Amino acid sequence: SAVISQKPSRDICQRGTSLTIQCQVDSQVTMMFWYRQQPGQSLTLIATANQGSEATYESGFVIDKFPISRPNLTFSTLTVSNMSPEDSSIYLCSVEVLAGAPEKTQYFGPGTRLLVL
Amino acid sequence: RKEVEQDPGPFNVPEGATVAFNCTYSNSASQSFFWYRQDCRKEPKLLMSVYSSGNEDGRFTAQLNRASQYISLLIRDSKLSDSATYLCVVNLYQKVTFGIGTKLQVIP
Repeated sequence: SAVISQKPSRDICQRGTSLTIQCQVDSQVTMMFWYRQQPGQSLTLIATANQGSEATYESGFVIDKFPISRPNLTFSTLTVSNMSPEDSSIYLCSVEVLAGAPEKTQYFGPGTRLLVL
Repeated sequence: RKEVEQDPGPFNVPEGATVAFNCTYSNSASQSFFWYRQDCRKEPKLLMSVYSSGNEDGRFTAQLNRASQYISLLIRDSKLSDSATYLCVVNLYQKVTFGIGTKLQVIP
């Protein structure tokens, strides 16, 4: 498995502002992902954070709204830009790990709870 | 049809009971399957992978039925600490899809 930390753990923000969430892993990983989990819903993949190149976004998510950085194999950031109340959600970082598992499995950070007023 | 469907519950069961959840998936080419557990206000955590032959981990048994395109999770001798939401996860060509989760509440 991997130990994943996220900062901040929670925040309350004003609409129109931006928030950058950090994700730190205790080991080098190839694949890092950012998810969103809105109240009462399942996890939705926002994008795959690629080291050394632009992130790969899922349908419905764009770089201008959710810019992502991945400067190395242990760290990534997700920015939620020009926030609106609809962005209120839990944002989760995850990594894909091979060691100790027959298949690739994902491990999640503790999440960032965002409330936009 | 949703890619991954689960009954959101809640399932309220007494301690010691046996409870089973099913999860259906729409794409027959799906390659790997998992159950995750998510406690309230916490991140999802891997509970177990699901293999074609079925697999068991203590009180938990997972099964895969490819013909009918569903996976199941059986929990025997439920404990209060089993109360959580159980997420079904399906992997297809490295695209991972999560179900909405089934909420389990074990009652004393």
